[in-house]
Amino acid sequence: EAEVAQSPRYKITEKSQAVAFWCDPISGHATLYWYRQILGQGPELLVQFQDESVVDDSQLPKDRFSAERLKGVDSTLKIQPAELGDSAMYLCASRLGIQETQYFGPGTRLLVL
Amino acid sequence: AQSVTQPDIHITVSEGASLELRCNYSYGATPYLFWYVQSPGQGLQLLLKYFSGDTLVQGIKGFEAEFKRSQSSFNLRKPSVHWSDAAEYFCAVGPISSGSARQLTFGSGTQLTVLP
Repeated sequence: EAEVAQSPRYKITEKSQAVAFWCDPISGHATLYWYRQILGQGPELLVQFQDESVVDDSQLPKDRFSAERLKGVDSTLKIQPAELGDSAMYLCASRLGIQETQYFGPGTRLLVL
Repeated sequence: AQSVTQPDIHITVSEGASLELRCNYSYGATPYLFWYVQSPGQGLQLLLKYFSGDTLVQGIKGFEAEFKRSQSSFNLRKPSVHWSDAAEYFCAVGPISSGSARQLTFGSGTQLTVLP
């Protein structure tokens, strides 16, 4: 069964450092999402891509976060500089079509010290 | 704006007992509704979804949910809980639209503990 891949699974970094997360969606899924999940809460959308284009990044803190999906396949989410409050699980999800379900990857757990 | 409320932060049940997790949503029209489960340190796995049609939907692992439009609810049920069901459960709502900006709004989750 096809799955959404994410790496790394865990990342520990110091405040003010740069971090990057990678996501490879299920093959053929045109829509890709990045979510942030703070411990004890539900996921919150950061950015949505349709192919290589950003559909919605209204909740992305653009002063420090950036996301790209250059070839419309895999995607990278970057934080620079990282802050203590960025400690969270970062989830990637993908969707095939308009009425299709979002499928989630295993997530990247980030700890900022 | 759409929102999802899961009023129970934590539920404890004994193995073999029945389970009901509550979910209420706020949205101007009939939304898409989902239940996901998350084991510790893992991503979200889809349990079931409602798009239209029969208001009682069956999912994986013996779970079912019933959409009640009059109560704006989509409660998750299981007749007999197994120890492996211990996890966090999230209800989510997504808009029905023709656009590509189709996003999910999640509730804050219900943590399920199963006693032996």
